[in-house]
Amino acid sequence: EAGVVQSPRYKIIEKKQPVAFWCNPISGHNTLYWYRQNLGQGPELLIRYENEEAVDDSQLPKDRFSAERLKGVDSTLKIQPAELGDSAVYLCASSFGLAGAYEQYFGPGTRLTVT
Amino acid sequence: DAKTTQPTSMDCAEGRAANLPCNHSTISGNEYVYWYRQIHSQGPQYIIHGLKNNETNEMASLIITEDRKSSTLILPHATLRDTAVYYCIVRVDISFNKFYFGSGTKLNVKP
Repeated sequence: EAGVVQSPRYKIIEKKQPVAFWCNPISGHNTLYWYRQNLGQGPELLIRYENEEAVDDSQLPKDRFSAERLKGVDSTLKIQPAELGDSAVYLCASSFGLAGAYEQYFGPGTRLTVT
Repeated sequence: DAKTTQPTSMDCAEGRAANLPCNHSTISGNEYVYWYRQIHSQGPQYIIHGLKNNETNEMASLIITEDRKSSTLILPHATLRDTAVYYCIVRVDISFNKFYFGSGTKLNVKP
């Protein structure tokens, strides 16, 4: 069974440029998460989807970040415009079920470098 | 929100048991304890979780104290491939499956 797929794995952009990350969750997983991980720290949740609905986006910087999950399957996270402080690893995770003790499965992440 | 406290780093000899402690003194009665690990340049990987009772699977054992204020993850026979950052997480919102990762413990398994 394929795991969570993310692309690209690495991205280098100049500040003020837009960037997008793509995630395809494990088949059948209806909950999808985007995390940001700064160097030396644990992942921090940006947004969580249940099917196509964003049910928790309280940590998403909405002035420059946006996300979508059309049809409740794959998802895209966008930053426009990027700032130097956005350099981090962006992780996507998915889980089965909408509640309960369900583990999250993570993709390998996209390492973003903003110069 | 229940938070966790873990040592920054630990060393373990290959083949020996690795015991990783975690304090979660403010944990509530319905909050689960999860353990994940993150090997360099990979996404976090689920290891084990528990509520009250001790748990064991093919990867590790989880020992939760009776008062639930602390837990220990045990890797019975550590290998070099177990070198990773280990995160102890208390799931703070049972209905929303929300995790707060701390900084974790860097486990160094040495030959």
